[in-house]
Amino acid sequence: SQQGEEDPQALSIQEGENATMNCSYKTSINNLQWYRQNSGRGLVHLILIRSNEREKHSGRLRVTLDTSKKSSSLLITASRAADTASYFCATVGYSSASKIIFGSGTRLSIRP
Amino acid sequence: DTGVSQNPRHKITKRGQNVTFRCDPISEHNRLYWYRQTLGQGPEFLTYFQNEAQLEKSRLLSDRFSAERPKGSFSTLEIQRTEQGDSAMYLCASSLVDGPVKDEQFFGPGTRLTVL
Repeated sequence: SQQGEEDPQALSIQEGENATMNCSYKTSINNLQWYRQNSGRGLVHLILIRSNEREKHSGRLRVTLDTSKKSSSLLITASRAADTASYFCATVGYSSASKIIFGSGTRLSIRP
Repeated sequence: DTGVSQNPRHKITKRGQNVTFRCDPISEHNRLYWYRQTLGQGPEFLTYFQNEAQLEKSRLLSDRFSAERPKGSFSTLEIQRTEQGDSAMYLCASSLVDGPVKDEQFFGPGTRLTVL
């Protein structure tokens, strides 16, 4: 079963706009990660945020984590056509050695 | 290229046949993971190894599935008596046990299996 649920399932925005994706999960986590997957290609790790962190930045990416609400958000600023992809949140619990449980993803389309 | 590699990239087989996939992790990574991904879904964990030891298996891994990592380097995933429901992308990932990026998994391009 999948731990994370992304919202929305699909998102289409104009190039240059910001894109926000949300993720909710059910059980306590050690860390939460966001991955990107382009059509027909492998998963690329974007950012990891630990349970004792609230916000993290990496380039145009900003991730927040609210453990009290069991939710996270990924913000992509100044979107580009190359950002078109599926984005997955993934959680790692305390009991298993870095086993990642993925959500079902948000499909992001950037319109030129 | 020092990333995770998987072979073959595509495999088409007839129902009932056996198939084997190979994964070569990043050389210094001691953990290796197998996932399965179907269309429109996120990857689902199948199993993982630390060095040559298989430490956890998902309930998704039926008796027809077996994975090995004999020398703690490359790994193979075999599916016996394939069924149409086995059609999916099989992803391999590797990671380090310790260090600043110990929880980050590096994924290979996957092997797409089609069972006819």
